Amino acid sequence: DTEVTQTPKHLVMGMTNKKSLKCEQHMGHRAMYWYKQKAKKPPELMFVYSYEKLSINESVPSRFSPECPNSSLLNLHLHALQPEDSALYLCASSQERGYTYEQYFGPGTRLTVT
Amino acid sequence: AQKITQTQPGMFVQEKEAVTLDCTYDTSDPSYGLFWYKQPSSGEMIFLIYQGSYDQQNATEGRYSLNFQKARKSANLVISASQLGDSAMYFCAMREAPKLKAAGNKLTFGGGTRVLVKP
Repeated sequence: DTEVTQTPKHLVMGMTNKKSLKCEQHMGHRAMYWYKQKAKKPPELMFVYSYEKLSINESVPSRFSPECPNSSLLNLHLHALQPEDSALYLCASSQERGYTYEQYFGPGTRLTVT
Repeated sequence: AQKITQTQPGMFVQEKEAVTLDCTYDTSDPSYGLFWYKQPSSGEMIFLIYQGSYDQQNATEGRYSLNFQKARKSANLVISASQLGDSAMYFCAMREAPKLKAAGNKLTFGGGTRVLVKP
């Protein structure tokens, strides 16, 4: 099973709302990632978790708060977002070590901030 | 500095013909991996093929093959016998060996090439 699932598929939220994106994988991967992708652009890395610990934060604004409750789950908590945060948010997972391992991506959550 | 460059923003290909998507990269690290992903309009990134920097042979996966020219730092994707379902955005990506233990591995993407297969 090489599936990464993400919920919800679509999310519309106001600038004062608090919402969460969820990601799950059951491949035994110990690295999990959040990417942000604007239209017609490549994905941009936001966060990397390695063995449930945050290992990379690409200077993401604090209105995005990641959480890794266990090795299979990854959340992204959203609060006080701006309209420019509207994008496709992709979750991915991979073997933790080694540059030879591909990342498996979920289908993404299309976020619209109004 | 741009690490991954895809110079073709978009291209058309006739169904059943082959198409080559260009990718050049820049790294001083001897250990790295190169990946190609397909992204249909639905949004999901689909892994296609992988080439390691130490691999002696070009990678192949079904209709996908990777033309790896290490000295030129290029890793072009060849799709043979194009199908209508191949219409999508294609991203080349590179992953360098992590410098720090448990640092995770950053995947750096090129700008992408949009392919449209014509019947």
